[in-house]
This record gives sequence, C-alpha cells and structure tokens, in this order.
Amino acid sequence: SSELTQDPAVSVALGQTVTITCQGDSLRSYYAGWYQQKPGQAPVLVIYGKNNRPSGIADRFSGSSSGNTASLSITGAQAEDEADYYCNSRDSSNNHWVFGGGTKLTVL
Amino acid sequence: EVQLLESGGGLVQPGGSLRLSCAASGFTFSSYAMSWVRQAPGKGLEWVSAISGSGGSTYYADSVRGRFTISRDNSKSTLYLQMNSLRAEDTAVYYCAKFTYYYDSSGRKHDAFDIWGQGTMVTVSS
Repeated sequence: SSELTQDPAVSVALGQTVTITCQGDSLRSYYAGWYQQKPGQAPVLVIYGKNNRPSGIADRFSGSSSGNTASLSITGAQAEDEADYYCNSRDSSNNHWVFGGGTKLTVL
Repeated sequence: EVQLLESGGGLVQPGGSLRLSCAASGFTFSSYAMSWVRQAPGKGLEWVSAISGSGGSTYYADSVRGRFTISRDNSKSTLYLQMNSLRAEDTAVYYCAKFTYYYDSSGRKHDAFDIWGQGTMVTVSS
C-alpha cells in the first residue's frame, strides 16, 4: 500500500507564508485532502480536490499539486493556525485511504 | 446543521469486543460513503474502514481486516463499527467521517473527509 510523507515540524513567523508538503505515489493519481487538528479537537478539512476550500475556511489556505507532491500554503499565517496538519488521499493501488504522518506547525 | 455523534467507546480487556455507533444528522445519510478513522494517543491519524452509501461495499485497513466489521442502517442514519478480538494497539480515539467528492476534468473522483464527529475513546487494557 502507498504511504504519504510529511515533514514532522515546520515553523513560520506571524503574518508570513508557509508551505507544508506531502509526498507519495498515490498523489500522482489523486488529489490530497488537508486537515487541521488542534489539541483535543477533531480534524477539520481545510483543502480538498484541486484547490477547494470548504465553507468557513479562511482564504489564506490554498492547495496545489505537482507530480507526487501535494502542498498546503498558508498566506499570512495567524496565531490560530498553529496546529497539526495532515494530508490524505485514496491509495492508488486498492480501495484504501492513507494519511500522512502529520506536520506540527508553530507560528512564531 | 451537519453533525456526526459517536458513542460506544470505553475500556475493554484484550480479546474483548465493542460496538461503536455514529449518529448522523443534517444531510442525506444514504447518499454518502462513510468511514472510521482512529488516532492512538499522541500519534497521527489512521484510516480504519469505509462503507459505500448503500452499504453494499466495505473496505478495511490490513490492521483490522477480519476483526472489525463496518455497517450502516440508513433508516436510522447511523454508522457502526463492530470491533472483535481487540488488542492493546487498537487503543485510540475513533472518529467517524463523511466523504465528500471532487471530480476533475477527466471525470476521476477524488475524495476527502469533510465532516468529522467528536470522537469516542477506546481503551484496550487488562
């Protein structure tokens, strides 16, 4: 089965732009979903498909994809964006779904 | 308001069984595939199982296949996860999640989990 690889931790200065990446073979076939999870809370979908934001998600969140890499960008990071971020996609080899290991984002 | 509410978690001994439920509201339940995702303490998210909208197709992670059974009752808008032969490594918060879909220009379907419940804790310990 496929795996999705994320950097364990990333930091960004308040108001700056940060990009979180996710790599895996399945991303050559399927777009990633991106989830934000704050301590003690359920995950929240922030980006899905080519670059779609669910209702209520700030427009500073955007997504892109190239080859086997999906990226989540936050333009003008806010203190409330500090959280764990996970990518996921359908596994291209079978009817399974996979998650990346997660990236802990710190806003300095 | 679209909502998912899990229940049924608790403390169970190794080898025991537990049945989780997820009550859905605010959307046409039978129109959407559903899934269970778990998160062990201090760890990342792990996909567990999924079921089609009709219930006719089911899918399992290798780690739970043969021990867990996913099902749904569309008349009650409820998703279930029957967990048997539980192991210590099954200890986690279990979330139910609703699928959403994006179709690209070639018609390929891409999915994601757009609605999540608050989670229910399952602890497997003697």
